[in-house]
Amino acid sequence: VIWMTQSPSLLSASTGDRVTISCRMSQGISSYLAWYQQKPGKAPELLIYAASTLQSGVPSRFSGSGSGTDFTLTISCLQSEDFATYYCQQYYSFPRTFGQGTKVEIK
Amino acid sequence: QLQLQESGSGLVKPSQTLSLTCAVSGGSISSGGYSWSWIRQPPGKGLEWIGYIYHSGSTYYNPSLKSRVTISVDRSKNQFSLKLSSVTAADTAVYYCARETYYDYNYYMDVWGKGTTVTVSS
Repeated sequence: VIWMTQSPSLLSASTGDRVTISCRMSQGISSYLAWYQQKPGKAPELLIYAASTLQSGVPSRFSGSGSGTDFTLTISCLQSEDFATYYCQQYYSFPRTFGQGTKVEIK
Repeated sequence: QLQLQESGSGLVKPSQTLSLTCAVSGGSISSGGYSWSWIRQPPGKGLEWIGYIYHSGSTYYNPSLKSRVTISVDRSKNQFSLKLSSVTAADTAVYYCARETYYDYNYYMDVWGKGTTVTVSS
């Protein structure tokens, strides 16, 4: 099983800020990583796959980077609708596993 | 546009079997290049992948649940199902179904149902 460590667990930020979320793997996964956004009471939504490929319809202020064991999700200019919880997920091997989540809250 | 809708028992007694169905609309469950997944989220916690069924019918389950999980597909109804046996309070969660797309060596869950809450309680 590949374990994932997301940090921070909680991030307080203001609209307009640049925020970065980290996801570290227990072993290398090449670029087989996705990022999801989840708002309260809603299902997760795909933001990024292949570590850096933006899903269709996702705003360009979202970007992903990394390969191997260290990955980053960046929101370049935080908007009000971006306050949510973000999860990384690896699909390099079974079982699929998710990070613990990072909640981005209003400072 | 593809849509997924979960349905099933919202309250299950301990030791019984949880049964959920995910209805697929706007596309065929038999289309190649997709697998059909179940994911759950206990209250206030993160996401846990339960398993999936490939369009061919092959399955893969999370080893932590493997002895209790069965995922099946009903092509005539364009739906797939989850059965989880011998449930306990720890199985209380929101259960999501999702489509996992395969593209260019990548697999990603790009369509999700809205989720259904299952509570295990006597």
